[in-house]
Amino acid sequence: NAGVTQTPKFQVLKTGQSMTLQCAQDMNHNSMYWYRQDPGMGLRLIYYSASEGTTDKGEVPNGYNVSRLNKREFSLRLESAAPSQTSVYFCASSDDRGTQYFGPGTRLTVL
Amino acid sequence: AQRVTQPEKLLSVFKGAPVELKCNYSYSGSPELFWYVQYSRQRLQLLLRHISRESIKGFTADLNKGETSFHLKKPFAQEEDSAMYYCALSRKDTDKLIFGTGTRLQVFP
Repeated sequence: NAGVTQTPKFQVLKTGQSMTLQCAQDMNHNSMYWYRQDPGMGLRLIYYSASEGTTDKGEVPNGYNVSRLNKREFSLRLESAAPSQTSVYFCASSDDRGTQYFGPGTRLTVL
Repeated sequence: AQRVTQPEKLLSVFKGAPVELKCNYSYSGSPELFWYVQYSRQRLQLLLRHISRESIKGFTADLNKGETSFHLKKPFAQEEDSAMYYCALSRKDTDKLIFGTGTRLQVFP
């Protein structure tokens, strides 16, 4: 099992450009999450999806959209990137006990 | 409001010394508490959860509801314990986690 996979690993954008971060899990988990990790701020939840077809805002949703395409995939879209969105982005899924499994992360720089 | 506080950004100890990473939380109900760890060049992973009351890699953590704390302890630190440690909280009716800001543990030889 690959667990949680994310693409790309690294990305550099110019202000105003758009991009989609991809995430997939092969553990048959219902719940999936997107976090951003910033120095001194820990991980903050951007969006989550409790099941296929449902999504909800987390702590810092502004500037982002998500799509739960099917049970496996949960993508995060930046429509118009801003320098404040420079961060490391983590996708995660959780099992029935609430244990979250994380992807390797995407390091995004917005110039 | 739910909040997790890890007061130390960096904790440095020598190999064999005891380690205590502090975590305090604020939550009006009965929370579930977790410790996640991120070793260098590895992904974030669960270390332990308070419900399991287990010891993982020699680490233990006890939930103290009176002091609203969930400190992570290890009697004898090893160099391979060097990592970033995050305390996290979830409500019993949701899997969403609220993370603390993390503590970097450095264990010197």
